[in-house]
Amino acid sequence: DIQMTQSPSTLSASVGDRVTITCRASQSINSWLAWYQQKPGKAPKLLIYKASTLQSGVPARFSGSGSGTEFTLTVSSLQPDDFASYFCQQYHSQLSFGGGTKVEIK
Amino acid sequence: EVQLLASGGGLIQPGGSLRLSCAASGFNVNAYAMGWVRQAPGKGLEWVSIISGGGDNTYYADSVKGRFTISRDISRNTLYLHLTSLRAGDTAVYYCAKTTLFSSPRHFFDYWGQGTLVTVSS
Repeated sequence: DIQMTQSPSTLSASVGDRVTITCRASQSINSWLAWYQQKPGKAPKLLIYKASTLQSGVPARFSGSGSGTEFTLTVSSLQPDDFASYFCQQYHSQLSFGGGTKVEIK
Repeated sequence: EVQLLASGGGLIQPGGSLRLSCAASGFNVNAYAMGWVRQAPGKGLEWVSIISGGGDNTYYADSVKGRFTISRDISRNTLYLHLTSLRAGDTAVYYCAKTTLFSSPRHFFDYWGQGTLVTVSS
């Protein structure tokens, strides 16, 4: 099974900050990686798939990069609506998710 | 507009069974692979199961294999998850979700239902 490790688990930031979250796979997954945003009590929302493709309707301040085993999700200028948890998911072999990163207000 | 409405959760004793439903609208459940993902309280996401658009291929996480069964009813446009031999570790919010492909078991989810809570406790 492919293990996905996200870091950090918690991130404190302010509105306007540039934020980067990292996701590492235990083996190469090429670019088969998605990112989701989840707010408390709500279902996850797809942000990015195939490592860097922005889902329709997602603001351009979100971007994804990476391939192989290391990936990043970047928010170029954090907005109030972006304080949430973020999860990566690999779909190269079966499916598995990272442990999540909570972005909280500093 | 794509919508997924999950239901059927509740409090169930260890060893018990439950059937979750996910009513879909805005698309046909036999046009895409669909799945279930769960989230234990305060924890991360765990993939549970996927069924292909044709309904002929099903896939399960090792943690639920042999205990859970995924199915769908095309006439009702509804996805199901039948949970049996439930354990405390199965306590979670169960989300149904749609993929963007017909048959691949390895994909991401572009639409999610609101989730239904299953609590396994005596």
